[in-house]
Amino acid sequence: LAKTTQPISMDSYEGQEVNITCSHNNIATNDYITWYQQFPSQGPRFIIQGYKTKVTNEVASLFIPADRKSSTLSLPRVSLSDTAVYYCLVGDPMDSNYQLIWGAGTKLIIKP
Amino acid sequence: NAGVTQTPKFQVLKTGQSMTLQCAQDMNHEYMSWYRQDPGMGLRLIHYSVGAGITDQGEVPNGYNVSRSTTEDFPLRLLSAAPSQTSVYFCASSSRRSGYETQYFGPGTRLLVL
Repeated sequence: LAKTTQPISMDSYEGQEVNITCSHNNIATNDYITWYQQFPSQGPRFIIQGYKTKVTNEVASLFIPADRKSSTLSLPRVSLSDTAVYYCLVGDPMDSNYQLIWGAGTKLIIKP
Repeated sequence: NAGVTQTPKFQVLKTGQSMTLQCAQDMNHEYMSWYRQDPGMGLRLIHYSVGAGITDQGEVPNGYNVSRSTTEDFPLRLLSAAPSQTSVYFCASSSRRSGYETQYFGPGTRLLVL
């Protein structure tokens, strides 16, 4: 099972771009990288998923280098409402028996 | 669509009591799962189901039972509650079409076992 390593916490300020890096050295060929956001007292919410290079949606961008051993979630111009825990996971999206490993995530605190 | 719904939102049990946490989804997702989340930690998989009539164990299945008689519902049963089962429980669903890792979560059930 592929495991991931993320910083435990990060601080930033409103209006800044925030980059959260995740390492996944033993990622498998069929694995994708998926990021979730979790606010206090809520269930996690899917943010973005990618396999290689760059993926962008209305919320974030995901950068994945050629060796795929790490990935970076980029949140542009953060606001106070982006304060949350962010989880990086790897797994095969077509494998229904794959059990995702959820680490403790990165607690992002945005300051005014 | 209501998405994934869970009931109750909060429950207090005494040690040894049993109860069922309800989970339902209206997205016709074939995959459903139950997680528990302890303070400051990530989610841990309890049980999951890849379709009606099919269930399997996750990382921490002891003390919990599940069944999947319909696509929509996936109840979690605590057989004899213990204080170690005090946690927040999340139900999630996903589909092969969108990829199993793209999971939709319910609002959670907060369980306190005294």
